[in-house]
Parts: sequence; C-alpha cells; structure tokens
Amino acid sequence: ETGVTQTPRHLVMGMTNKKSLKCEQHLGHNAMYWYKQSAKKPLELMFVYNFKEQTENNSVPSRFSPECPNSSHLFLHLHTLQPEDSALYLCASSQEKGVVGEQFFGPGTRLTVL
Amino acid sequence: GENVEQHPSTLSVQEGDSAVIKCTYSDSASNYFPWYKQELGKRPQLIIDIRSNVGEKKDQRIAVTLNKTAKHFSLHITETQPEDSAVYFCAPLGNFGNEKLTFGTGTRLTIIP
Repeated sequence: ETGVTQTPRHLVMGMTNKKSLKCEQHLGHNAMYWYKQSAKKPLELMFVYNFKEQTENNSVPSRFSPECPNSSHLFLHLHTLQPEDSALYLCASSQEKGVVGEQFFGPGTRLTVL
Repeated sequence: GENVEQHPSTLSVQEGDSAVIKCTYSDSASNYFPWYKQELGKRPQLIIDIRSNVGEKKDQRIAVTLNKTAKHFSLHITETQPEDSAVYFCAPLGNFGNEKLTFGTGTRLTIIP
C-alpha cells in the first residue's frame, strides 16, 4: 500500500491494556496528524507534528501519548483507555503545516475499548 | 479558532438530480477551501479545492463556489450517481501556520436510485 498506511487496522483492548497505533507516510511530507472519528464528533483533530515537533495538542487526555521519531512515522500510544475512546483513529499527512494543501489520510485503525 | 458549520447534515437526492452542500466559516484569514469525500468504511479523500483568489472551480460533475465576503463556500454535484453517496467534509484553512485545523461536521449524502 502506498501513500499513508496505518497498523493495526482493527484493535480491541481492555481498559488496563497498553497498545500503540502506527502510521507511516511515503509521500515525503513534513506534517503528520492524528484524528479521532466517532459518531458524535465526525473528525476531531488530536495532535499535529511539523518536522517532528508537536505543534498542536487539542486538549487530548494524557492517556493518549503521541510520538514522532521522524517525518515519516507517527505513533499513538494508548494506556488505561475508557470505553468512550472507542472510535476510528485516522492518521494524515500534508506537505507542511502552514502551507495550505491537501491532507492525505490513512485507512484508519478501528479501536474498541472493552 | 475557526468555527465551521456545514448544512445540511443529511441530504437525500434522486439519482440524476443535483446536490448542494454549504460550509460557513468564521476566520476571514482562511484562504484554502477543500472538500473531502468519505465513502462508507473508507478514508476521507480530497475531491476538489479552491483558493481565495478564485470564485469558482469545476471538475466534471463537481464544482466549488466561494463567497469570501459572506464567508461560505459550497460543493455542487450535478447528475448525481449512486457512487456519490458518502459523507462530505469541508475544512477551510489559512496559510499562517498557527491556525487550528477544523473540519466541518459532515454531510451525509444519499443518492436514491
């Protein structure tokens, strides 16, 4: 798969588990994003990284911890989640934050918290 | 931050008819106006965008019109087909690097065969 890839595609976890979501982009972009998509709030921006530096954290609870080791990879570490965190988590990339243009989305990870 | 509203939230049209979805925004500095389409179970994908120096852009059956004075832009789909059924999102954006990225709440379009 080219463009933006995400693994795993589906994840079921208990509230005490620790898991990580992975995103990789093959587009040479410098900005990467995590979004949460649920029925209540369709596309909710969580974190933004620009040239590996976090530039935005939209009041996301600390049980979500992002990591961006380089411009091509983005992780979302999960621990002690709540059932209301069940949602589709989408990763996206763009050329650079501050340079307007298309965002390219990954296929998402469907997360279920039991 | 940007306040973005989409109307309507749901829209059903007969196949072959036209559909129009409107996006209003609050930040007058916005200068990039994209529309994304998300089919069921798939990722959002850009279908058309317009920049603030242009009032209208067309690509086959889809078009986007921009009214910067009134701070709204609209997606127009003509001769609708079943494959147009999806959720559509707008995401107006400025070019200053410190604005909040905000997507509209989405419009679920259903094409009735």
